[in-house]
Amino acid sequence: EAGVTQFPSHSVIEKGQTVTLRCDPISGHDNLYWYRRVMGKEIKFLLHFVKESKQDESGMPNNRFLAERTGGTYSTLKVQPAELEDSGVYFCASSQDVRVGGYTFGSGTRLTVV
Amino acid sequence: GESVGLHLPTLSVQEGDNSIINCAYSNSASDYFIWYKQESGKGPQFIIDIRSNMDKRQGQRVTVLLNKTVKHLSLQIAATQPGDSAVYFCAENPPPGAQKLVFGQGTRLTINP
Repeated sequence: EAGVTQFPSHSVIEKGQTVTLRCDPISGHDNLYWYRRVMGKEIKFLLHFVKESKQDESGMPNNRFLAERTGGTYSTLKVQPAELEDSGVYFCASSQDVRVGGYTFGSGTRLTVV
Repeated sequence: GESVGLHLPTLSVQEGDNSIINCAYSNSASDYFIWYKQESGKGPQFIIDIRSNMDKRQGQRVTVLLNKTVKHLSLQIAATQPGDSAVYFCAENPPPGAQKLVFGQGTRLTINP
């Protein structure tokens, strides 16, 4: 079974530019999540999709962040325009039921805004 | 070696020794907990989980202890190996029925040869 795939693995962009991160979840997983780890701190929740619908986006920091999940399959997270404080590692995860074994995480996208 | 979770984010132990990583969780209504291991360049990987109707659960070389009275989790790793070097996160699932996980700060475990 293929795992959760994220790309790019690294992205370096200038402040003010736009970046789009992509996540392909495990096939059949209805739940897809975006998390972020900034400056070696804790892993913080951004949002949760159930199929194509946003179930919970309470962790999205501001309206510069836009997440979509086309047809309930892959998801994209766009940051526009990027700011310095957006630098960090963005993780995508998927699950069928979080209460049975938690999430399966992707390897993350390391975003550096300069 | 032992850490105090949020207040001591690094822990170094000698190879072969046992280690204990601690975590204080925030929501008394949480009833499902997970420990994850994150190695450099990889995403967090599931290690072991425990439900609130249990105090202890054992896996291969790992044991998770849950103290609901003081909202405390610990991860014990027996006979540590170099491959155990990583950052360890605890996560809670609050409240019952929600699909979200809330993560602790993490503890970096270094195994010295």
